[in-house]
Amino acid sequence: GEDVEQSLFLSVREGDSSVINCTYTDSSSTYLYWYKQEPGAGLQLLTYIFSNMDMKQDQRLTVLLNKKDKHLSLRIADTQTGDSAIYFCAESKYGGYNKLIFGAGTRLAVHP
Amino acid sequence: DVKVTQSSRYLVKRTGEKVFLECVQDMDHENMFWYRQDPGLGLRLIYFSYDVKMKEKGDIPEGYSVSREKKERFSLILESASTNQTSMYLCASSKQGGRNTEAFFGQGTRLTVV
Repeated sequence: GEDVEQSLFLSVREGDSSVINCTYTDSSSTYLYWYKQEPGAGLQLLTYIFSNMDMKQDQRLTVLLNKKDKHLSLRIADTQTGDSAIYFCAESKYGGYNKLIFGAGTRLAVHP
Repeated sequence: DVKVTQSSRYLVKRTGEKVFLECVQDMDHENMFWYRQDPGLGLRLIYFSYDVKMKEKGDIPEGYSVSREKKERFSLILESASTNQTSMYLCASSKQGGRNTEAFFGQGTRLTVV
């Protein structure tokens, strides 16, 4: 079956690193995504990782994938107040209709 | 700039009304999706369409229907709105096939049914 789980809330101090975790159950997932939703807005793709990769880095963002444990994480270095948002983990399979399965979202609160 | 546009940001409707939520994309994408977003539940797929006049049920299709008469437009219909359909509705589109399935989202429609 398909299921994606995330913790619902994370609070960090400005300048610290944030780590948002996600677990998924479908081992046939080929792509895993992190989307960001700012207040009152739709979702925006932050980054993604292909299932044959362990790590992907993009500026302040680092994605780690542990395929054996079906665990995905997003690390945000030097977290800023502008990073306050809801972060969604999502999985999909190659081909077909490219349906995305989302987690519940983690609300990141950044405080001074 | 790629765009998915939802016709309304906020809607208030009465119980029993027929409600239409419209979504238009300008990227010539084959796939279009309707999700609803509720706190603690994330995004749940209502319906999706992979071609004109084609539709597939998602995880929570009950109480909803959809229409896709043109490639760029995907409508979500609440046949008889109920209070438990109060939610944020998000439309998305993506290119079909290929190796990456990035979905582009509209800004959302917050629907309140009273």
